[in-house]
Amino acid sequence: SQTIHQWPATLVQPVGSPLSLECTVEGTSNPNLYWYRQAAGRGLQLLFYSVGIGQISSEVPQNLSASRPQDRQFILSSKKLLLSDSGFYLCAWSVGQPYGYTFGSGTRLTVV
Amino acid sequence: QKEVEQNSGPLSVPEGAIASLNCTYSDRGSQSFFWYRQYSGKSPELIMSIYSNGDKEDGRFTAQLNKASQYVSLLIRDSQPSDSATYLCAAPNAGGSQGNLIFGKGTKLSVKP
Repeated sequence: SQTIHQWPATLVQPVGSPLSLECTVEGTSNPNLYWYRQAAGRGLQLLFYSVGIGQISSEVPQNLSASRPQDRQFILSSKKLLLSDSGFYLCAWSVGQPYGYTFGSGTRLTVV
Repeated sequence: QKEVEQNSGPLSVPEGAIASLNCTYSDRGSQSFFWYRQYSGKSPELIMSIYSNGDKEDGRFTAQLNKASQYVSLLIRDSQPSDSATYLCAAPNAGGSQGNLIFGKGTKLSVKP
């Protein structure tokens, strides 16, 4: 069966510090991978998606970046965090339309 | 801008009652729809998907789709306190690629014992 792992579960970082969140999927090949952010009181916002190794599409311009160095690994990064980067970050995978996503357990990031 | 709209609630129902959650979407090209349940502090969990007009039943859950009205709903029969959560409606961004989903902001459901 397929599983998705996301870590860390919680993170408190100072403004201006770097960020690296990692997500890995097991039990499937060539998944579509997604990074979403859920800010307090707001909906899920798609940040990045990837259909293959090294292929990254950005939905929202910001100070975050994503990389996919391996088929089942997806990394979200930032060189300098802003207060507005606080939120609940969710990684998800799918095999494409018309199937839904499976989400990881999420990382709650607080920038102080 | 494609949108998925939901009433934010909170929707409060007594235990054993039917909870009705509604969602509208703007993109007529959307072909598949999803309902996710999200407990407080947890990640969303897929509970229902529906692709055709009409009803789809799975246990206590029934999803209803009306493409002409661009309306999708979720009925929860015999509601339990454990059903208390935020329910997210999602539809594909039909103009986008690779199955990107657009999510509503969710309806918070509270089931009172």
